[in-house]
Amino acid sequence: ETGVTQTPRHLVMGMTNKKSLKCEQHLGHNAMYWYKQSAKKPLELMFVYNFKEQTENNSVPSRFSPECPNSSHLFLHLHTLQPEDSALYLCASSLSYAGAGTEAFFGQGTRLTVV
Amino acid sequence: AQSVAQPEDQVNVAEGNPLTVKCTYSVSGNPYLFWYVQYPNRGLQFLLKYITGDNLVKGSYGFEAEFNKSQTSFHLKKPSALVSDSALYFCAVRDLSSGSARQLTFGSGTQLTVLP
Repeated sequence: ETGVTQTPRHLVMGMTNKKSLKCEQHLGHNAMYWYKQSAKKPLELMFVYNFKEQTENNSVPSRFSPECPNSSHLFLHLHTLQPEDSALYLCASSLSYAGAGTEAFFGQGTRLTVV
Repeated sequence: AQSVAQPEDQVNVAEGNPLTVKCTYSVSGNPYLFWYVQYPNRGLQFLLKYITGDNLVKGSYGFEAEFNKSQTSFHLKKPSALVSDSALYFCAVRDLSSGSARQLTFGSGTQLTVLP
């Protein structure tokens, strides 16, 4: 266990549904991240939050909406997704965002399938 | 811009033999390099990192990696492979001198299979 917990582990949703992914860490970390992992592709950084403030949004479509109510929790709200959005969504946290050597701790991921 | 290349999609090695998973990088300034491992249906687990100092870095589960500045490489190694080492391995780099420096850039991953 890395100390980062994601729920649900698996999610199947229709293109008109609205759902949310949840991530929780109690490691005392100040930075949290959402990554998308698709088969045969490098991990794609989607969003970064540092001390609850969004610091990075890597040109992610608006059908993905992040929320960070506090330093321990991160959500990814999903609506009107496309089949190509099917992937493993990984949450990660690190002690700091600016620290170059700070490694990230990853959750187990949510396997999302859009039908 | 920073980038990472893992030239091999797949590496097969017999149990007990040494293993090497290759990684090369490109950065503007000084690199901070990481290796992560991903087991099936799991998230990524941190293995080791190079920040500064000794070029040979030791990490979890008997893995080590060698930083080679002239070859811009950071290959992952283990003297004797175990079947349980079979997993997907990711190399990552961070470069503070870049505008997008704070982001970890990951390679596409190398699937390691250790054959009994």
